[in-house]
Amino acid sequence: GQNIDQPTEMTATEGAIVQINCTYQTSGFNGLFWYQQHAGEAPTFLSYNVLDGLEEKGRFSSFLSRSKGYSYLLLKELQMKDSASYLCAVPGTGRRALTFGSGTRLQVQP
Amino acid sequence: EAQVTQNPRYLITVTGKKLTVTCSQNMNHEYMSWYRQDPGLGLRQIYYSMNVEVTDKGDVPEGYKVSRKEKRNFPLILESPSPNQTSLYFCASSSPGQGALEQYFGPGTRLTVT
Repeated sequence: GQNIDQPTEMTATEGAIVQINCTYQTSGFNGLFWYQQHAGEAPTFLSYNVLDGLEEKGRFSSFLSRSKGYSYLLLKELQMKDSASYLCAVPGTGRRALTFGSGTRLQVQP
Repeated sequence: EAQVTQNPRYLITVTGKKLTVTCSQNMNHEYMSWYRQDPGLGLRQIYYSMNVEVTDKGDVPEGYKVSRKEKRNFPLILESPSPNQTSLYFCASSSPGQGALEQYFGPGTRLTVT
């Protein structure tokens, strides 16, 4: 089965950098996703990592270490609109849907 | 516009009264899923479907049914809703041809069972 751990809440300041960590255990690795979810809204896709290393996409970057079962999402130049939950997810073995972590609620303060 | 739609968006009902939440996608995706989201528990998969007439249980299937008679539609059926099914429900679709299994989510259905 899959097990995903993320911090429950984080607070950061507008303009700063924040790193949201995710550790996972899965019997078969098929990549790792990060989603953003604003309160009461649907999750939206941020990134997908299947190989080790850092992938940068604008202000957001995602890192993966398969040997350590570890990923992080890096948000730079934080804006107030970045206040949201960030969900780490991995595909289930043999299934075609995702297993999600509980999510990290990020609050950006002025 | 590529999208996943759900109806209704909000529903308040009483225990035991059968209800159906519809889900439709216009992207010709093979895979569709239903999730529920509860505070502190995150998104949990209820059922998924790999194609027409192919469905399988997710992590929390008890009390739910699904059907996939057409590729675009994947309704979620609660035969006898109970208060513990009060939750925020999301339908999602994806395609294996995209390689990355990126899920496209519907806007959500907030269900309250009294």
